Amino acid sequence: AQSVTQLGSHVSVSEGALVLLRCNYSSSVPPYLFWYVQYPNQGLQLLLKYTTGATLVKGINGFEAEFKKSETSFHLTKPSAHMSDAAEYFCAVSPRSGSARQLTFGSGTQLTVLP
Amino acid sequence: DSGVTQTPKHLITATGQRVTLRCSPRSGDLSVYWYQQSLDQGLQFLIQYYNGEERAKGNILERFSAQQFPDLHSELNLSSLELGDSALYFCASSVDGGFDEAFFGQGTRLTVV
Repeated sequence: AQSVTQLGSHVSVSEGALVLLRCNYSSSVPPYLFWYVQYPNQGLQLLLKYTTGATLVKGINGFEAEFKKSETSFHLTKPSAHMSDAAEYFCAVSPRSGSARQLTFGSGTQLTVLP
Repeated sequence: DSGVTQTPKHLITATGQRVTLRCSPRSGDLSVYWYQQSLDQGLQFLIQYYNGEERAKGNILERFSAQQFPDLHSELNLSSLELGDSALYFCASSVDGGFDEAFFGQGTRLTVV
């Protein structure tokens, strides 16, 4: 079974500071990896995903994440936080194959950006 | 706009009642997933359908059921509702049942009073 751990349910950064949201996964084989963002009263929007190839993945809104197999991690970063980045962020995994490839989500990290 | 449409956006109902949530997938997508998001449980996978057939089942209660129709839209039926069923219910769709290209709807917020 797969599982996802997001370290820190709440993260606060100052505007312009580095954003680092941590995600570790547990899986017998490296899964597909995703980061989603949820703004208040909104649905889930895909930020980026890793399926294969280059381990540094660039997403929307200036976010990127690096897949590190040896650390079973997929941390999300953004060099400079903007007020509009305040939202909840979810890391998720999905099996690479099989008939049932549903997403398993982490518990989420609420990002607050301070002026 | 993800292209996945969920109706209604909000629903308030009383305990013991039954409701139906509807999801229209993106054009061409054959697979539909249902998720429940609540404060205490987080995002939980409920059930997946692929081209009309149930493909996977997650933490779905026996009081809940779903189906996918020939036109590929899906409905999630929740019955004998309890206060604890209050949550945001999401639908997602993908072409082939995988999540490498999947999109979420805006969700239906269910409040049971």
